[in-house]
Amino acid sequence: GAGVSQTPSNKVTEKGKYVELRCDPISGHTALYWYRQSLGQGPEFLIYFQGTGAADDSGLPNDRFFAVRPEGSVSTLKIQRTERGDSAMYLCASSPSGGTQYFGPGTRLTVL
Amino acid sequence: AQKITQTQPGMFVQEKEAVTLDCTYDTSDPSYGLFWYKQPSSGEMIFLIYQGSYDQQNATEGRYSLNFQKARKSANLVISASQLGDSAMYFCAMREPSSGSARQLTFGSGTQLTVLP
Repeated sequence: GAGVSQTPSNKVTEKGKYVELRCDPISGHTALYWYRQSLGQGPEFLIYFQGTGAADDSGLPNDRFFAVRPEGSVSTLKIQRTERGDSAMYLCASSPSGGTQYFGPGTRLTVL
Repeated sequence: AQKITQTQPGMFVQEKEAVTLDCTYDTSDPSYGLFWYKQPSSGEMIFLIYQGSYDQQNATEGRYSLNFQKARKSANLVISASQLGDSAMYFCAMREPSSGSARQLTFGSGTQLTVLP
């Protein structure tokens, strides 16, 4: 079956701009996670959705970051007023509730 | 304190040989899960193997096995009969109840494995 998909695969933007990153989870997976991975490091948790609601957003670094999952399937991570330090790989994962997380191919964000 | 420690930034192994990637963890929860993921240069994190803290036997999945030593808090990944396609970054990760309702994964810093022909 289809795995987790993420678009775009690469995004280059300028400092101060707004970006949206999209995640399409595995069909039927109720849990969805966003992680951020800086170069040479392991992924770090950003936010978790169970169904439509953000059940845990404790990993979001500041209020420039926001994510939605309006219909309990596709999720969008939104970053306002991007900064150079936001440059990273953004990974999305989905799981059956409490189960193993399966990751998408990621979006590599570069802020110039 | 680091939750997950991977002390080998890089490892080399000859094709067809076995290799062990080290992982130690730190938790006070009696119930937790340990995972290994592979990340090729393309970036996608590929799930390899899972070990639950209450599992009596070491997990195995094809050429992958997990050497779980609970008292030592180690969960080393063993890859048998290495193939050139095994060259990638390998991450150990832990899921524990105290991380909250999210049960998010906490990752180590990874080990870059290179398989030599």
